[in-house]
Amino acid sequence: AQKITQTQPGMFVQEKEAVTLDCTYDTSDPSYGLFWYKQPSSGEMIFLIYQGSYDQQNATEGRYSLNFQKARKSANLVISASQLGDSAMYFCAMRDSQGAQKLVFGQGTRLTINP
Amino acid sequence: DTGVSQDPRHKITKRGQNVTFRCDPISEHNRLYWYRQTLGQGPEFLTYFQNEAQLEKSRLLSDRFSAERPKGSFSTLEIQRTEQGDSAMYLCASSLAQGLNEKLFFGSGTQLSVL
Repeated sequence: AQKITQTQPGMFVQEKEAVTLDCTYDTSDPSYGLFWYKQPSSGEMIFLIYQGSYDQQNATEGRYSLNFQKARKSANLVISASQLGDSAMYFCAMRDSQGAQKLVFGQGTRLTINP
Repeated sequence: DTGVSQDPRHKITKRGQNVTFRCDPISEHNRLYWYRQTLGQGPEFLTYFQNEAQLEKSRLLSDRFSAERPKGSFSTLEIQRTEQGDSAMYLCASSLAQGLNEKLFFGSGTQLSVL
């Protein structure tokens, strides 16, 4: 069965610093996809970045990059040059071919950016 | 593109009452998902549709819950005989079916409070 673990309930970072949000996953399926979503206080989940299990390079999307370590089953999100607007909940999620179409989410990390 | 919209944003009801939520997906999306999110947790999958067909239901979805997607457009989620444990944010998402990298677009959710 798929499982996502986010061990940091909360993170506090100074504005303009880089921050790494941890995510580990578990699946027996060699084919899977990993996602990060941001959830501001408005409630809407916003897609940030995707990494496929067979992708050779780490995914990047603007200030977001994914540190994918397949052997360790980790998919950490790195946010460079953090901004006040980055304060939100962040969720790691995965889908594998055995889990049909559903995305399985972790418990999330609340990120607070301090001015 | 107006995104995924959900109605109502908030619903307060008394235990034992029935409630119905509506979700309007992005117009060209053929898949529609319902998730439930309780405070401090990540979203949990409830059910999904491809066009008008309901293809998977979670064991979380008791027989008091029913979802429909007539004509493959908007969807409704009904909860009968509500219980206090049903209090949660109900999130709807839509997507285009495309494999492991299928990206879900979420609405802002309906916050249900059962008194």
